[in-house]
Amino acid sequence: QAQLVQSGAEVKRPGASVKVSCRASGYTFTDYYIHWVRQAPGQGLEWMGRIIPTTGDTHYAQSFQDRATLTRDTSITTAYLELSGLTSDDTALYYCARDGQKWDFDYWGQGTLITVSS
Amino acid sequence: QSALTQPASVSGSPGQSISISCTGTSSDVGGYNRVTWYQHHPGKVPKLIIFETTKRPSGVSDRFSGSKSGNTASLTISGLQAEDEADYYCCSYAGGATWVFGGGTRLTVL
Repeated sequence: QAQLVQSGAEVKRPGASVKVSCRASGYTFTDYYIHWVRQAPGQGLEWMGRIIPTTGDTHYAQSFQDRATLTRDTSITTAYLELSGLTSDDTALYYCARDGQKWDFDYWGQGTLITVSS
Repeated sequence: QSALTQPASVSGSPGQSISISCTGTSSDVGGYNRVTWYQHHPGKVPKLIIFETTKRPSGVSDRFSGSKSGNTASLTISGLQAEDEADYYCCSYAGGATWVFGGGTRLTVL
């Protein structure tokens, strides 16, 4: 059974950066892409980007093109999201999700709450 | 990449059927049969209930069904049950290795 386990909640100051990890287990990490999705308080889900674990190739939503960086470390089956230039609008629950190869997200991490506050 | 349009809320009584629409453009919903639907209970992780517009993953009740006409996809839930009360999100592949979600619909079972 695939499982994605994310790092814990963080509080950041405006202007800072944050790096969230997503450790995969129960399947071959390099066989499935990883996506990142966020949900701000009271808001809907928002797709942020995707990384291909084998090559490290990335694609981002336009709104995150300049501030988000997706990376991975295949030796520890972990994907990372780094978001820079944080503002209060970035306060949200951040999820990683596995691409199920049917244009879907079939397994999700538990979510990481990032709070941006001065 | 504008969010897909969903109604903010729908409601129905137990046993009834409801439908949730998801309207996009020819660049996303209308251009591909790659719409997915997720059920999201507050405090839990989103759950995939429809993929490739009309298909159900193993283990998902056949009370859930998906369809599409033009630029609008729909999720239908038949035989409503109390446990169906949740937020529902559509999502579509939008080309160029990008995806876009709908704004979400809160389903209330009366």
